[in-house]
Amino acid sequence: DARVTQTPRHKVTEMGQEVTMRCQPILGHNTVFWYRQTMMQGLELLAYFRNRAPLDDSGMPKDRFSAEMPDATLATLKIQPSEPRDSAVYFCASGLRVGVEEAFFGQGTRLTVV
Amino acid sequence: GEDVEQSLFLSVREGDSSVINCTYTDSSSTYLYWYKQEPGAGLQLLTYIFSNMDMKQDQRLTVLLNKKDKHLSLRIADTQTGDSAIYFCAESLNDYKLSFGAGTTVTVRA
Repeated sequence: DARVTQTPRHKVTEMGQEVTMRCQPILGHNTVFWYRQTMMQGLELLAYFRNRAPLDDSGMPKDRFSAEMPDATLATLKIQPSEPRDSAVYFCASGLRVGVEEAFFGQGTRLTVV
Repeated sequence: GEDVEQSLFLSVREGDSSVINCTYTDSSSTYLYWYKQEPGAGLQLLTYIFSNMDMKQDQRLTVLLNKKDKHLSLRIADTQTGDSAIYFCAESLNDYKLSFGAGTTVTVRA
């Protein structure tokens, strides 16, 4: 049963701490997205990669957020330093030929920064 | 998703039809999608329509596309309590980026 796996599912951290969220895309998928979901803003695209190369990270606050794909089986989203306004659910999604075929979403990481 | 707009809430009685509307801005979108998000879960593809189609039906779901007005709708017939969820409209952009609307929260009441 292929699925996108995100860890951790929940994270509570203090303001100023570093947070790293991880995503294992479905094997063989060449496109990986990071989205952030909040009540106020809805679903926002933070960054996406194709074949591990970042194609667009314009939705991401550059001063504190970074996204990488160290290899084809792992995508990371890092926040340093974290702030209370970063509290949200962060989703990773992967796909093959996205835009033609569907994007598969992970269950999300619920981040709370206090 | 500033490029995709949809109403935020819909309340419907069990057994009635639900209609969720969406407008998008990129006329070159190849595919338009409806995703469903149940509480505590990620988004899951519900259905999609190719841009050269006007309508697509899949069991209780009917998607209507008005390309001239850039308007997409999802009709759920015989709405059930299990249909309570957030429904997202999405368009695929030229570089295969998915742009989502803010989501419509559908509440089904008995």
